[in-house]
Amino acid sequence: DQQVKQNSPSLSVQEGRISILNCDYTNSMFDYFLWYKKYPAEGPTFLISISSIKDKNEDGRFTVFLNKSAKHLSLHIVPSQPGDSAVYFCAANYGGSQGNLIFGKGTKLSVKP
Amino acid sequence: DADVTQTPRNRITKTGKRIMLECSQTKGHDRMYWYRQDPGLGLRLIYYSFDVKDINKGEISDGYSVSRQAQAKFSLSLESAIPNQTALYFCATSDSDRENYGYTFGSGTRLTVV
Repeated sequence: DQQVKQNSPSLSVQEGRISILNCDYTNSMFDYFLWYKKYPAEGPTFLISISSIKDKNEDGRFTVFLNKSAKHLSLHIVPSQPGDSAVYFCAANYGGSQGNLIFGKGTKLSVKP
Repeated sequence: DADVTQTPRNRITKTGKRIMLECSQTKGHDRMYWYRQDPGLGLRLIYYSFDVKDINKGEISDGYSVSRQAQAKFSLSLESAIPNQTALYFCATSDSDRENYGYTFGSGTRLTVV
């Protein structure tokens, strides 16, 4: 049973527009959420995270929103740039566990010039 | 030099052969992980280790084994490779200090079993 779900395998956005990547989770014990970005032929790299005590975290063009009641988080990229084209993985963890991140299947973002 | 180095980067092997993938890190992290990535399936955990004397199975450990030779080294072995183990393999590290939580991944090993 998938605990972290990214239901959109792909997303295409025009340069300069907003990209919104979505992630749902089923385990209410999760208290820490992360987004990773992966380019072809490279390993995933950490992008941004959010603790469950917050509902928003911002870092430059990237903002993550957390809706605990809906068990939903989203990553907003504004404005989108062609260099943002990559696969984005959502991941979650809960404190007191062995600390392993649970990853979603990823969403491939394509930003068109 | 990369913080997390995986060798080899690419490998083609025959069914039934034993193969080892190696991972070394300079991050000083205590935790190390092996994941595999398959199209449409995301990242799935194979094995993880929280220190040199600690080895744990992940979601998909069957057909794999690991060795944590030192804090900085964590190798993954396929005892008898089969074609459905063809995948992209990633090693990752993390620090048990929660304030700095987040994995650092290597660049991956693309393994093809023919």
